[in-house]
Order: sequence, then C-alpha cells, then structure tokens
Amino acid sequence: NAGVTQTPKFQVLKTGQSMTLQCAQDMNHEYMSWYRQDPGMGLRLIHYSVGAGITDQGEVPNGYNVSRSTTEDFPLRLLSAAPSQTSVYFCASKQSNEKLFFGSGTQLSVL
Amino acid sequence: SQQGEEDPQALSIQEGENATMNCSYKTSINNLQWYRQNSGRGLVHLILIRSNEREKHSGRLRVTLDTSKKSSSLLITASRAADTASYFCAANTGGFKTIFGAGTRLFVKA
Repeated sequence: NAGVTQTPKFQVLKTGQSMTLQCAQDMNHEYMSWYRQDPGMGLRLIHYSVGAGITDQGEVPNGYNVSRSTTEDFPLRLLSAAPSQTSVYFCASKQSNEKLFFGSGTQLSVL
Repeated sequence: SQQGEEDPQALSIQEGENATMNCSYKTSINNLQWYRQNSGRGLVHLILIRSNEREKHSGRLRVTLDTSKKSSSLLITASRAADTASYFCAANTGGFKTIFGAGTRLFVKA
C-alpha cells in the first residue's frame, strides 16, 4: 500500500491563480482531511470529509474548496490564490476515530 | 482557535534525560493523540489514549490523561538525539474531527 499520496510536493503560484492539490489514499479510509501548517504553528484543519459525497468545513475554510467524489480522492482547490495561503499543506486519512495517516506535504508559495 | 495547546513551546535537554511535554484542550474528547514531526516531513502517529483511560505506555513513551483538567502529558524516557523533532497533541472531538495544538519543539543534545 502506498498510504496517502499528495501531489505536487512543491508549487509556486502568482496571486490570483488557481490550482488543485491532489490527495489519494489506498487504505479505504472513510475520513479524509486537509490541514495547513504555518511556521511555528501546529496544523489547522481546512476541510474534511467523512465519506464520498460528504464534506464539511474545518477551522480555516475560507479561500478553499473541496469535493469527495470517490473514497480514494480528496482534492483541495484554491480558487484565487493569495499570499496568506503560503503554507505547507498536509492531507490525512483515517478509519473511524483512530489515528491519522499523513501524506508528505505540499509546500506552496504564493507571490 | 486551536483545540490543543502545548507547553513548553521548546525544550532542550541532554541525551539520556527525560522529556516531558504537556497539552491542554478545550472541549470534551473521544481520545487524545500524540504525533511526531521531523523537520520538513509529515506527521507520524505515536500513541492514542482514550477518554476513559488515565495512562498508557508504548516503549519509551508514557502518556497520561486528566479529563477533569482537560490536560495530557507525554513523557519520553532516556531521550536520544534521534528524538529531536516537534511533538503535537491532537484532540479527537468525535464526529471524525481531529484538532491539533501548536506543538513542542524538542532538541536532544548528544
């Protein structure tokens, strides 16, 4: 099993550009989530999903969209990138209330 | 606002010493988890303690949970240079949401 796979690993955007961060898991986990991590801070929950077709907002959802059309995939969309969205993004998945499995992260810079 | 708050923010110790990190959270939880993050890497799960448990051990790790004080502690015994990392507590509040604290940066000097 590959676990949780995130692409790309690095991305540079200009203000106003849009892009999609990809996340896929092969563990048949119901729950998937996106976090952002800023320097010196912990992880803040952006959006999460408890199953295909179901998504909900986390702590910092503004400026981001998600969808969950399949169990495996949970893409994160930035509609109009802003410098405040410069961060490291982590996708994670789990089954029920157990431990989270994390991807290796995407380092995003918005100029 | 974040669910968990770790204390201290940073900790520097000598190899062989014990390291203790504390976490406080705000609401009721199903379980509390501790994760480790090496610089520039993703988080790795260390240990999970459920709301009806008070103490749990895993190798050199010991976690305690006090639900009346909404606090938890992580003890790493006989620390090694390889334990240098950031450590995060994460509160599972039910309904699948897991909220992280800001973390403790541990530096173990050889």
